[in-house]
Amino acid sequence: EPEVTQTPSHQVTQMGQEVILRCVPISNHLYFYWYRQILGQKVEFLVSFYNNEISEKSEIFDDQFSVERPDGSNFTLKIRSTKLEDSAMYFCASSGTRGTDTQYFGPGTRLTVL
Amino acid sequence: AQTVTQSQPEMSVQEAETVTLSCTYDTSESDYYLFWYKQPPSRQMILVIRQEAYKQQNATENRFSVNFQKAAKSFSLKISDSQLGDAAMYFCAYISNFGNEKLTFGTGTRLTIIP
Repeated sequence: EPEVTQTPSHQVTQMGQEVILRCVPISNHLYFYWYRQILGQKVEFLVSFYNNEISEKSEIFDDQFSVERPDGSNFTLKIRSTKLEDSAMYFCASSGTRGTDTQYFGPGTRLTVL
Repeated sequence: AQTVTQSQPEMSVQEAETVTLSCTYDTSESDYYLFWYKQPPSRQMILVIRQEAYKQQNATENRFSVNFQKAAKSFSLKISDSQLGDAAMYFCAYISNFGNEKLTFGTGTRLTIIP
């Protein structure tokens, strides 16, 4: 069964450093998403991406964040200058041909900012 | 803005018994989708079940079923014949059918299975 994959599984970085989180969505999916879950809290939407552009973003997704689909398979989330409060689990998700198709999640990347 | 509320932070059930997890939501829209996702200790988000608001029939998926009450904006998950592998956080989620592609999640219910 196709699945969303994410790398790395755990990233440790120093405050102020740039990080890139990588995702490979399900191959025939057209919609891509990033969500964040701070430990012990609920999952929060960051951004959705369709047709090579951002279709929606949340208040959390400020200028420090960017997304890119550099080739036909990868979808990345970049945090330019990490803060302590960026420590969280970051989930990538993808869905099929409509925005309301079921979103399938990757296993997540645990980001720890020191 | 849509909100999703899960009023049970924790639930427990004896193995092989049935448990129901509650979820309510608030929306002014008439067309939307509702989901239950499971998050085991590995923290991966796994789809359990999906319900289309325009369908009156409650969704079922093996031992998992929902009680969807559209007028009451209620969407509970029933797990029958509970198994140890069902132990996880369960999140209720909502998505609008009107151009808003983001999932809005509840705060989750931690389910413990008692052997």
